[in-house]
Amino acid sequence: EVQLVESGGGVVQPGGSLRLSCAASGFMFDDYAMHWVRQAPGKGLEWVSLIHGDGSGPYYVESVKGRFTISRDNSKNSLYLQMNSLRTEDTAFYYCAKDYWLGDWGQGTLVIVSS
Amino acid sequence: EIVLTQSPATLSLSPGERATLSCRASQSVSTYLAWFQQKPGQAPRLLIYDASNRATGIPARFSGSGSGTDFTLTISSLEPEDFAVYYCQHRSNLPPYTFGQGTKLDIK
Repeated sequence: EVQLVESGGGVVQPGGSLRLSCAASGFMFDDYAMHWVRQAPGKGLEWVSLIHGDGSGPYYVESVKGRFTISRDNSKNSLYLQMNSLRTEDTAFYYCAKDYWLGDWGQGTLVIVSS
Repeated sequence: EIVLTQSPATLSLSPGERATLSCRASQSVSTYLAWFQQKPGQAPRLLIYDASNRATGIPARFSGSGSGTDFTLTISSLEPEDFAVYYCQHRSNLPPYTFGQGTKLDIK
């Protein structure tokens, strides 16, 4: 059974940093591309970033370029999102999702950027 | 960046009725389009990929069609558990893989 478990969310001040993690199990992690998708409370889905199975890419939505960095450690079956220079508009649930079609999702981790 | 526009924003129907949801792309995405269902407090769930292929475990009452710029998600006979928000997303060419703004399907 595929399992994706996000962690690392919390409350941070504007300009601060957080590192999100996504622990994967139940599949050959390095065979699959992985995404981060976010959802502000009460709002729609926003695709954030993609990294290929071999770590190539990566790709970002324009609003996070230069501030967020996606990475993965295939030896640890883990996906990461380093978020720097956080803004209030980055407040959202952050989900990791598996494969190009986002066939499996974690339960999400909440990031609140507030002073 | 490809923009996906979903319509209607809200669709009010009764159990047993047929639901037709639309997603229009600002430029062709071929068949690189997916549909997701999201219920309150839950992560989204993949329903349809590559425009018309049902994901694993998705009931046959869900079907997808379209290519190019116009796509449709049809639910043939609504069950109580189908009332949720539905999103389309493209996976065409290079990212960003944008989502539509969503259609809320609620009980009439």
